Amino acid sequence: KAGVTQTPRYLIKTRGQQVTLSCSPISGHRSVSWYQQTPGQGLQFLFEYFSETQRNKGNFPGRFSGRQFSNSRSEMNVSTLELGDSALYLCASSLNTDEQFFGPGTRLTVL
Amino acid sequence: AQKITQTQPGMFVQEKEAVTLDCTYDTSDQSYGLFWYKQPSSGEMIFLIYQGSYDEQNATEGRYSLNFQKARKSANLVISASQLGDSAMYFCAMREQEENSGNTPLVFGKGTRLSVIA
Repeated sequence: KAGVTQTPRYLIKTRGQQVTLSCSPISGHRSVSWYQQTPGQGLQFLFEYFSETQRNKGNFPGRFSGRQFSNSRSEMNVSTLELGDSALYLCASSLNTDEQFFGPGTRLTVL
Repeated sequence: AQKITQTQPGMFVQEKEAVTLDCTYDTSDQSYGLFWYKQPSSGEMIFLIYQGSYDEQNATEGRYSLNFQKARKSANLVISASQLGDSAMYFCAMREQEENSGNTPLVFGKGTRLSVIA
């Protein structure tokens, strides 16, 4: 069974631009969560989607948004990029309410 | 307040020895789950082991075991017979189960960097 995939793996953008990251969960998993990982703040929860509905949202500004499609694939978008948005963005999928399986992450660099 | 505390920023262990990575948590919920993840330099978070708050026995998965002390709110990870490939960041995480709103998102500790020495 294929694992969680994230595209792209690496991304370089400049301040003010916007970016879209994609996550394909494990087949059959309907829950997708997004996390931001930075050296200073560690791992922080962004949002969780279940059956195309946002179920939970972390404490991030409105520039961060996401959505989930009917096939459970999810995208997150960051508009008006800031230097501080440079991070590893991790996506995780789960079948039930316990174990989450993570993808390899997208490393975003904002210049 | 920190929900997950990992007090060891870095640890060294000799190959083939056992090592314990500390984790304490803070919750007022009765139902919650505790997780350990490994993150190698590639960045991917690899699930290692899970302990439910109602599980009476300590969880074990191969060389990994979780020393769960509920009264002390600690969930330490024990890695036996360390291997060079165990060198990585290790994160403790918790997910609470709230009666009306279901499971909360995973909350992670700051992590412990484990280095295995040959």
